[in-house]
This record gives sequence, structure tokens and C-alpha cells, in this order.
Amino acid sequence: QKEVEQDPGPLSVPEGAIVSLNCTYSNSAFQYFMWYRQYSRKGPELLMYTYSSGNKEDGRFTAQVDKSSKYISLFIRDSQPSDSATYLCATRPLNQGGKLIFGQGTELSVKP
Amino acid sequence: DVKVTQSSRYLVKRTGEKVFLECVQDMDHENMFWYRQDPGLGLRLIYFSYDVKMKEKGDIPEGYSVSREKKERFSLILESASTNQTSMYLCASRQTSYEQYFGPGTRLTVT
Repeated sequence: QKEVEQDPGPLSVPEGAIVSLNCTYSNSAFQYFMWYRQYSRKGPELLMYTYSSGNKEDGRFTAQVDKSSKYISLFIRDSQPSDSATYLCATRPLNQGGKLIFGQGTELSVKP
Repeated sequence: DVKVTQSSRYLVKRTGEKVFLECVQDMDHENMFWYRQDPGLGLRLIYFSYDVKMKEKGDIPEGYSVSREKKERFSLILESASTNQTSMYLCASRQTSYEQYFGPGTRLTVT
């Protein structure tokens, strides 16, 4: 079993839709939970991070972590064609030199 | 505003060749990482380095080695390239506990 599981999609939605992206993880010791966004032919960039359970909002994006069920979510409201990218969830194990563990990534396409 | 650069965007090599992938960061970070990215498998860590001349194996180190002689430069070496090493290779350096800055990637094809 992979330590972080993510549905690779692809996911296609119309402009303006609410998008829900999800991951599960296996180790309850994981602390930081991140979402990276990767545009075509580019490296991933940090979109959002949370440290503990709960919600964190940044504009149209909301990151949610439920540690009791080991579930990580990213919600995108009023999705735009410019949101079309691959979204990768990630988490950080303790005492491993800053190593991050990534999910498989979900490819999102927002159609005008 | 360039932070992490990689020596090549596209590379085509023959089976058995020795391949060098170079990564340079200008942020004075101590930790640097090499990943490969494959469809359906996501990013997998090959090697990382937490200081000059220090290295640690990641999840898939077989067939690879690394070199870190200077803080800003981290090299990935494929000793004898094979077709199953055809992939996108991404270098990153660590900014904080949760943020890594990635380079644009090198798409390597081994024929």
C-alpha cells in the first residue's frame, strides 16, 4: 500500500464548477499536509499547506485535513480554465531530512 | 526570479550510456532532492542530500547515484542508462518544512 493514495483522474469539469480533490494517507505520524500544483511542462509549486486537522482557506481554494480518517481534501470554488493543472497532495514524515511523500497527482481540466 | 535550474529540458540517450543531470539552486538551501515522475506513479524520491558531500537514498535509488560537491549543485548520475529510466526527472531544494522549490524538469528518453 502506498503511503499516500490519490485518484489520478483525469477530471474534467465545466468552468464555474466546484472541484473536490482527495487523498488518503496511511501513517498517523504525518504532520504537514500540502497541495502542490503543476502546470504542463513545469515543476510543481506549493499551493497550500496545513499543519493539523481542520480547514484552511485561500481565495477560491480550501484545504481540509481530517486526521481521524487520514483524509486530505482540496476544494476549488468557481473553477477557472487557468486552474487546469495536475494537483499533487503531499505529506511530510518526521525525522527524515525534510523528505516529502507525494500522491500520484490528479489531472484537472476546466473547460470554458 | 530563477531559483532552481536544471541543465537540460529534453535529453535523448542510448542504452548503456552514462548520463549526468545537473541541478543548481540559488537560495543557499542545505537540502536538495531528486525525483522522477511517471504517469500513475506520481513523484518518487530517488536521492536527497542534506549537506555538501552528504547523501541519503530515497525510495528508488537503484541504478542511480548522486554527487554534491558544492552547496548549490546536486547532480544525478545514471551509471548505465536503461529504457526503464525513461522519465521526467525533477530536482528540488527545501525552503521550509513543507515547501520545496522545484526545477522545470528534464524529460529523459533512453532508446
